[in-house]
Amino acid sequence: AQRVTQPEKLLSVFKGAPVELKCNYSYSGSPELFWYVQYSRQRLQLLLRHISRESIKGFTADLNKGETSFHLKKPFAQEEDSAMYYCALHNAGNMLTFGGGTRLMVKP
Amino acid sequence: GAVVSQHPSRVICKSGTSVKIECRSLDFQATTMFWYRQFPKQSLMLMATSNEGSKATYEQGVEKDKFLINHASLTLSTLTVTSAHPEDSSFYICSARERGRMNTGELFFGEGSRLTVL
Repeated sequence: AQRVTQPEKLLSVFKGAPVELKCNYSYSGSPELFWYVQYSRQRLQLLLRHISRESIKGFTADLNKGETSFHLKKPFAQEEDSAMYYCALHNAGNMLTFGGGTRLMVKP
Repeated sequence: GAVVSQHPSRVICKSGTSVKIECRSLDFQATTMFWYRQFPKQSLMLMATSNEGSKATYEQGVEKDKFLINHASLTLSTLTVTSAHPEDSSFYICSARERGRMNTGELFFGEGSRLTVL
């Protein structure tokens, strides 16, 4: 069975500091990984996906199959980055599994 | 971009009554919609997967007679909480997968519906 683990429930950093939200997964096949974000009082929305290899709002995430990780990184956190972040894995059976989420708080 | 709308956004009802929540895809067709519960400061818990024109698939532990799901059209899925009790109070969220993009992990989410059962 597949599993997505976000070990940190809460991550607090100061504005301008680097941030890394951890995500580890277990899946026997070839995974498709996503990061979703939920800002305060807003709906959940897609932030980025590993196949696009893109940077969105300064965030990047690299799929590391050896370490089965898909950590989300940003070199300089901004206050507006404060939100709930969910890592998600899409499998060959077309199921999307979410991690437990990490709340990022960026302090001024 | 694709928009999913939920209605009502907030509902308060008495114990024992039934409540219906609608999930609509406004500018696209959704062959598959998903319903979740989200408890305070916790992750999304998938309740069921609903495919247009067929019966919903419920996750283990979710009572299908309690949470009735109907997906009668390509733009509308409804969740009815029957004989609601205070423990059913929660934030219910739907998401939709766009028709023509069946095998993708990209979902579009509604804004959620907060149910409070007195």
